[in-house]
Amino acid sequence: DIVMTQSPLSLPVTPGEPASISCRSSQSLLHSNGRNYLDWYLQKPGQSPQLLIYLGSKRASGVPDRFSGSGSGTDFTLKITRVEAEDVGIYYCMQGLQIPVSFGGGTKVDIK
Amino acid sequence: EVQLVESGGGLVQPGGSLRLSCEASGFIFSYQYMDWVRLAPGKGLEWVGRIRNEVNSYITEYAASVRGRFTISRDDSKNSVYLETNSLKTEDTAVYYCVRIFGHCVRDRCNWGEHGDYYYTMDVWGKGTTVIVSS
Repeated sequence: DIVMTQSPLSLPVTPGEPASISCRSSQSLLHSNGRNYLDWYLQKPGQSPQLLIYLGSKRASGVPDRFSGSGSGTDFTLKITRVEAEDVGIYYCMQGLQIPVSFGGGTKVDIK
Repeated sequence: EVQLVESGGGLVQPGGSLRLSCEASGFIFSYQYMDWVRLAPGKGLEWVGRIRNEVNSYITEYAASVRGRFTISRDDSKNSVYLETNSLKTEDTAVYYCVRIFGHCVRDRCNWGEHGDYYYTMDVWGKGTTVIVSS
């Protein structure tokens, strides 16, 4: 099974400042078709998770362009160019290359 | 509006059973794969299992932690997916989310029903139903 590891566990942020979350997989998520089979999800307080990024770097519908995903193989990054108060919550990376699908442990983002 | 509404959660003793239901609306349910994902107290998201659509033979897949105890089924005529949970353990205590799976074409030309032509993401989540396993 593929193990997903996120860092940091907790990320206090200042509104207007950038933020970055790292995700590492135990096996390469680069498919033979050249795509990285990795998603990013955000669970805001009191809400269900929502899809932010799929295939490593593609923003889901309605996701603000301050969110971006990058990386390839086993190392991935989610970046927020300028954090807003509504961005607080727990961020998860997830690999969709193999069953069982697996999530990272989560990164809790809150306002300093 | 695309919507998933779960029901059936509750308090159950260890060793007991519960049947969770999820009713979908606002999209063509029969086309989609569906997942169940859970969030235990103080833990992160955990994938529970998946059921494919009819053209992919309703194939089911499960996490090792629930295989043999949980069963996913669907009734396309009722736009519903189900999670039958048996032999429940205290560690099964969690919020259970019903999730729509969207297939993104990852080839130059994708054939409907060809499983490998698509990448599957969790694009719509229900609000969840809570299962508490305790004596």
